[in-house]
Amino acid sequence: SQTIHQWPATLVQPVGSPLSLECTVEGTSNPNLYWYRQAAGRGLQLLFYSVGIGQISSEVPQNLSASRPQDRQFILSSKKLLLSDSGFYLCAWSVTRTNYGYTFGSGTRLTVV
Amino acid sequence: GEDVEQSLFLSVREGDSSVINCTYTDSSSTYLYWYKQEPGAGLQLLTYIFSNMDMKQDQRLTVLLNKKDKHLSLRIADTQTGDSAIYFCAESKKSGDSNYQLIWGAGTKLIIKP
Repeated sequence: SQTIHQWPATLVQPVGSPLSLECTVEGTSNPNLYWYRQAAGRGLQLLFYSVGIGQISSEVPQNLSASRPQDRQFILSSKKLLLSDSGFYLCAWSVTRTNYGYTFGSGTRLTVV
Repeated sequence: GEDVEQSLFLSVREGDSSVINCTYTDSSSTYLYWYKQEPGAGLQLLTYIFSNMDMKQDQRLTVLLNKKDKHLSLRIADTQTGDSAIYFCAESKKSGDSNYQLIWGAGTKLIIKP
């Protein structure tokens, strides 16, 4: 069966520090991968999505970047965090070219202080 | 546009039925989804409906689709405290690379009163 792992669950980082959040998917090949941010427990903002290794689409210009070094690994990074980067970050995957919906990870609560 | 709209809050008494409404804009959407997010957790797929269906029932959940009005609703019968969560409506939209993107509503927070 397919599973998605996202870590860490919570993170407190000072302003100006770097960030690396990791997401891995097991039990499937060539998934579509997504990074979302959710502010204050509300709506979802799509940050990045990837349809294959090294293929990243950015939806919103910001202080963040994403990479997909392996088929089932998706990394969200920042060189210097801002206070406004605080939020709940969610990774998700879907089966390529299907309408089966997305499966989400458990999320990372990031607080920038 | 690509807006999916939901009211932000719904308050119901325990044991009553909850009805969460959603409107979408893309008439070509083939699937529509309801996701549930409990506090501090990721989203879980609750149910979905194919666009050629009017209704889908799964235990306490009933999904109604009015394709003419582009209106989707989720009814939860006998609402329990464990149903407290944010419920997201989403429609699928085919992108240029033949993949499907989900367009999300802002989520409806269901509050259960004792």
